[in-house]
Amino acid sequence: DAGVIQSPRHEVTEMGQEVTLRCKPISGHNSLFWYRQTMMRGLELLIYFNNNVPIDDSGMPEDRFSAKMPNASFSTLKIQPSEPRDSAVYFCASSLDAGEEQYFGPGTRLTVT
Amino acid sequence: SQQGEEDPQALSIQEGENATMNCSYKTSINNLQWYRQNSGRGLVHLILIRSNEREKHSGRLRVTLDTSKKSSSLLITASRAADTASYFCATDLLTGKLIFGQGTTLQVKP
Repeated sequence: DAGVIQSPRHEVTEMGQEVTLRCKPISGHNSLFWYRQTMMRGLELLIYFNNNVPIDDSGMPEDRFSAKMPNASFSTLKIQPSEPRDSAVYFCASSLDAGEEQYFGPGTRLTVT
Repeated sequence: SQQGEEDPQALSIQEGENATMNCSYKTSINNLQWYRQNSGRGLVHLILIRSNEREKHSGRLRVTLDTSKKSSSLLITASRAADTASYFCATDLLTGKLIFGQGTTLQVKP
């Protein structure tokens, strides 16, 4: 298995632009998680899905952030409009079931100028 | 303060020595997990210990869990330069999501 796949690996964009991050979880995994990591705030859970349904989005910072999981093999995290404070590394992770060991993707390093 | 807090924040040892990291948490958990993160990479799962377990081993890793003290420790024996990384504990709060601590940065000097 290729593991969790994320794209792009790096994204540099200007403030106000829309950013879409993509994730392909490990086949057969039922839970998918989006995290954001910064030096100041550490690793924060933004949202997680179980069987493609959003279960907890309490970590989503504000309405500028949205996430979808249209099927079991694909999820997106969208930021519109982006701001410099959104600069961070965004990780996607998946697990067989919620609460079990998570497999992380390589991350997307987002820089908003 | 956070659900999971690691101690120390940073640790520097010589190759061959043992490294011990601690994690404290506040609420009841279903399980506790340890992850490693190398610089610029995603987190890698190391070990999961359930609330009814007290100790678990995996290779050079030994994890203990004391639910009465709400604490866990990760011991890496005979450390190697390749063990240099950040180590995070994460707790499953019976809600399905993991809460990660701030991590311990371990440096192993050759």
